[in-house]
Amino acid sequence: KAGVTQTPRYLIKTRGQQVTLSCSPISGHRSVSWYQQTPGQGLQFLFEYFSETQRNKGNFPGRFSGRQFSNSRSEMNVSTLELGDSALYLCASSPEVAAGTEAFFGQGTRLTVV
Amino acid sequence: AQSVTQLGSHVSVSEGALVLLRCNYSSSVPPYLFWYVQYPNQGLQLLLKYTSAATLVKGINGFEAEFKKSETSFHLTKPSAHMSDAAEYFCAASGGGADGLTFGKGTHLIIQP
Repeated sequence: KAGVTQTPRYLIKTRGQQVTLSCSPISGHRSVSWYQQTPGQGLQFLFEYFSETQRNKGNFPGRFSGRQFSNSRSEMNVSTLELGDSALYLCASSPEVAAGTEAFFGQGTRLTVV
Repeated sequence: AQSVTQLGSHVSVSEGALVLLRCNYSSSVPPYLFWYVQYPNQGLQLLLKYTSAATLVKGINGFEAEFKKSETSFHLTKPSAHMSDAAEYFCAASGGGADGLTFGKGTHLIIQP
């Protein structure tokens, strides 16, 4: 069974630009979550989607948005990039949203903003 | 709200020695607890999880963790460290809702030959 696939693996963008990251969950998984990982803040929850609906969002500005498609694939978008948005963005998928369900992580997209 | 504290940003042990990585959680109710490992330039891999079925949880690669409610702890141990265990380890908690996982800051495990 293929794991969680994130594309691209690496990105370099300029301040003020926008970026879209993609995540394909494990086949059959309907829940997709996104996390931002930085050396200073560690791993922080961005948002979670289930059946094309955003269930919750972390404490991030409105420049961060996402969506989920009918095939459970998800994208996240960051507009008006800032230097502080440089991070590893991790996507995780789960078969359901039941309590205690484990999340399976992709390898991440390394975003560098210059 | 959940919070997770990992004591020690770096832990160094000799190959063959006991590995002990500490994790404490803060919650009004026992949460669901996880340990993940991250190798350089990789995503997170689940080592084990606690979901109230048993207080001693065995995971992959010889790791185990014990849930102690009285101490609000979920420390990760491995009897004998191997060079391949060198990585970043994250403790995480979930309250069961849609708030995602709350992670600790991570502990970098160094294995000395």
